[in-house]
Amino acid sequence: KAGVTQTPRYLIKTRGQQVTLSCSPISGHRSVSWYQQTPGQGLQFLFEYFSETQRNKGNFPGRFSGRQFSNSRSEMNVSTLELGDSALYLCASSFASGGPLNTGELFFGEGSRLTVL
Amino acid sequence: KNEVEQSPQNLTAQEGEFITINCSYSVGISALHWLQQHPGGGIVSLFMLSSGKKKHGRLIATINIQEKHSSLHITASHPRDSAVYICAAAYNTDKLIFGTGTRLQVFP
Repeated sequence: KAGVTQTPRYLIKTRGQQVTLSCSPISGHRSVSWYQQTPGQGLQFLFEYFSETQRNKGNFPGRFSGRQFSNSRSEMNVSTLELGDSALYLCASSFASGGPLNTGELFFGEGSRLTVL
Repeated sequence: KNEVEQSPQNLTAQEGEFITINCSYSVGISALHWLQQHPGGGIVSLFMLSSGKKKHGRLIATINIQEKHSSLHITASHPRDSAVYICAAAYNTDKLIFGTGTRLQVFP
């Protein structure tokens, strides 16, 4: 059974650009959640999608957005990139309808490492 | 205020030692996750708890709802257990908050 796949694995952007990251969950998983990890702030919850609907959102500005498609694949977008957006972006999928905030065990991808210059 | 406090921040052990990592949280959680992160970034979910105790191999996780405290134990530690261990509390207010992590190094 294939795991969670994130693309691209590494990317470099400049300030002001935008970026789109992709996450393909494990087959059959309908919940996809996104996380940002930085040395200074550690891991932070961005948002979670279930059946194409955003159910939960962390404390991030509106420049961070996402969506989920009918096949459960998810994308997140960051617009007007800032230096502080440099981070490892992780997504996780879950089988349970509760997702990460209830009873869903999380399966993580390897992450997309974004560097903003 | 929803918070997660994890201790210790760093832990060094000799192979074979019993390891305990602690996690404290505020009221109102629906689940508590324990995660393992190896160098390079990959994260593996170890346990997801809402009550009681779970065991998987040499790993044991417990949660005490009254004391708002969870522990991760590693029995007979091995150098391959060296990693960062992170707890994350899922609050009923729809927030998932992470501890700062415990960096464990096990020496042969």
